[in-house]
Amino acid sequence: NAGVTQTPKFQVLKTGQSMTLQCAQDMNHEYMSWYRQDPGMGLRLIHYSVGAGITDQGEVPNGYNVSRSTTEDFPLRLLSAAPSQTSVYFCASSSSLAGRETQYFGPGTRLLVL
Amino acid sequence: KQEVTQIPAALSVPEGENLVLNCSFTDSAIYNLQWFRQDPGKGLTSLLLIQSSQREQTSGRLNASLDKSSGRSTLYIAASQPGDSATYLCAVDSNYQLIWGAGTKLIIKP
Repeated sequence: NAGVTQTPKFQVLKTGQSMTLQCAQDMNHEYMSWYRQDPGMGLRLIHYSVGAGITDQGEVPNGYNVSRSTTEDFPLRLLSAAPSQTSVYFCASSSSLAGRETQYFGPGTRLLVL
Repeated sequence: KQEVTQIPAALSVPEGENLVLNCSFTDSAIYNLQWFRQDPGKGLTSLLLIQSSQREQTSGRLNASLDKSSGRSTLYIAASQPGDSATYLCAVDSNYQLIWGAGTKLIIKP
């Protein structure tokens, strides 16, 4: 099992550009989520999904879109990148709702917005 | 609103020492508490999960305790090794979402 994979590992964007961060898992997990991690702060939930076709907002959803067309994939779209979105982004999956079961994390995508 | 705090932000100890990392939370109405490890440039790895009805969980040299009434959890690491160097994060399951502390960066000196 590859677990949770994320691409790219590192990306530089200019303000206003758009991009998609990819996340995939091969554990047949229903629950997937996206977090951002900023220096000196805990992880903050951006969006999550409890199954294919079902997504919901987390704590900091503005500027981001998600979709879940398959169980395996959960891409995160930045619509118009801003310097405030410079961060490390983590995708996670688990067999049930966040916190109720062990969560598995991808290696992260480091994003720099100029 | 649930808030999670980890103090200290960084800790450096000699190899072989036993140590305690602290995690506090403001709302005792939690479902569970989890401890994670994060290595530089890598994702997070789950270490221990303590249900709200439990007082502690153990895995190898790690022991995590939970005191809901006081809003505190501790992660005890016995006989520390250089390989234990990492950032340790705690998170509480509050209303179906994980609320995270900022982490304690641990350095074990050989």
